[in-house]
Amino acid sequence: ETGVTQSPTHLIKTRGQQVTLRCSSQSGHNTVSWYQQALGQGPQFIFQYYREEENGRGNFPPRFSGLQFPNYSSELNVNALELDDSALYLCASSASSYSPLHFGNGTRLTVT
Amino acid sequence: QQQVKQSPQSLIVQKGGISIINCAYENTAFDYFPWYQQFPGKGPALLIAIRPDVSEKKEGRFTISFNKSAKQFSLHIMDSQPGDSATYFCAASNQAGTALIFGKGTTLSVSS
Repeated sequence: ETGVTQSPTHLIKTRGQQVTLRCSSQSGHNTVSWYQQALGQGPQFIFQYYREEENGRGNFPPRFSGLQFPNYSSELNVNALELDDSALYLCASSASSYSPLHFGNGTRLTVT
Repeated sequence: QQQVKQSPQSLIVQKGGISIINCAYENTAFDYFPWYQQFPGKGPALLIAIRPDVSEKKEGRFTISFNKSAKQFSLHIMDSQPGDSATYFCAASNQAGTALIFGKGTTLSVSS
């Protein structure tokens, strides 16, 4: 069974640029969630997708957007990058909205 | 009301000792309380979870104790081993697969 995979593992961007992060959910999982983990902090919920529709959103501005594809993989897009966007971005998948979340190893984004 | 407060921030335990990490929450709508373990460079991994209809759950050396009236829950790691050295996060949500609210984490170091 393949777990949650994320790409790229590391990324460096300049303030004002746009970035796309990718996630392949665990086999059989139809729900994908994205979290932002700043250094030394717990993960913070960005949003969740279920069957290609946004199914809940945390306290993040609209420049954070996402997509889920028919194969349940997902993208996180961040526009107009700010220095504070530097963080580990975690993707998690679950078999349903009633099942535990399983996390990938994240994408480390550095904004300079 | 959405916060989950975790303590201590860091913990040093001798090999074979008991590690105890505490969390408190305010939102009585929370119905699912997982603990995650995170190693450097990795995503959080689900360790054990509990729902408020039970006061204790044990899986191997890991036990969650839950006090619904005090709105507190804790993780006990028995016979702590150097391999348990990691950051531990408590979390809470309305149901298993929805947005998790994480504590700030506890860095556990088990000395041999």
